[in-house]
Amino acid sequence: GQNIDQPTEMTATEGAIVQINCTYQTSGFNGLFWYQQHAGEAPTFLSYNVLDGLEEKGRFSSFLSRSKGYSYLLLKELQMKDSASYLCASSNDYKLSFGAGTTVTVRA
Amino acid sequence: DAGITQSPRYKITETGRQVTLMCHQTWSHSYMFWYRQDLGHGLRLIYYSAAADITDKGEVPDGYVVSRSKTENFPLTLESATRSQTSVYFCASKGAGGADTQYFGPGTRLTVL
Repeated sequence: GQNIDQPTEMTATEGAIVQINCTYQTSGFNGLFWYQQHAGEAPTFLSYNVLDGLEEKGRFSSFLSRSKGYSYLLLKELQMKDSASYLCASSNDYKLSFGAGTTVTVRA
Repeated sequence: DAGITQSPRYKITETGRQVTLMCHQTWSHSYMFWYRQDLGHGLRLIYYSAAADITDKGEVPDGYVVSRSKTENFPLTLESATRSQTSVYFCASKGAGGADTQYFGPGTRLTVL
């Protein structure tokens, strides 16, 4: 089965850094995806980790530890447009299993 | 335009009616997926398809039927809609590689009265 946990909500100030943690217990794990979803819109791809370590993409970075079943998404230099839901998803046999999502609110 | 589209974007129907949600992609992706998204549950997989004429159940398939006669289309049918099927439905597609990203359509907001 798939069990993916991430915090429900986080609030941060514009310009700050926020780290969204995700723990997973899945069978047949292939890799870990992060998606961003603005209210009323479709999820859009942010990052994919298959090996342990940190992947950096501009203001966003994602980390994976396969042995610990743990990932995080790091958002730096937060902007108001980063207010959205962030979805952690484990990949297994071409399918994705999603966590419930973390709603990040950026305050001025 | 290339991409993945869904229709209708909004639908209101009544309990017991049959409803079909359409999904079309222009990338010739092998895999297509149907999810529903409800508050507190995140995205849950209903059905998926690895290729034309190959479909399989996901996490919450009861009450839904799919078909895939052509690679680019993957319709989802609610044979007899129930209020518990009120939700936002997303279609997605991906290529054949294991690490390929899933790309999502804009979603269909379905209300069953």
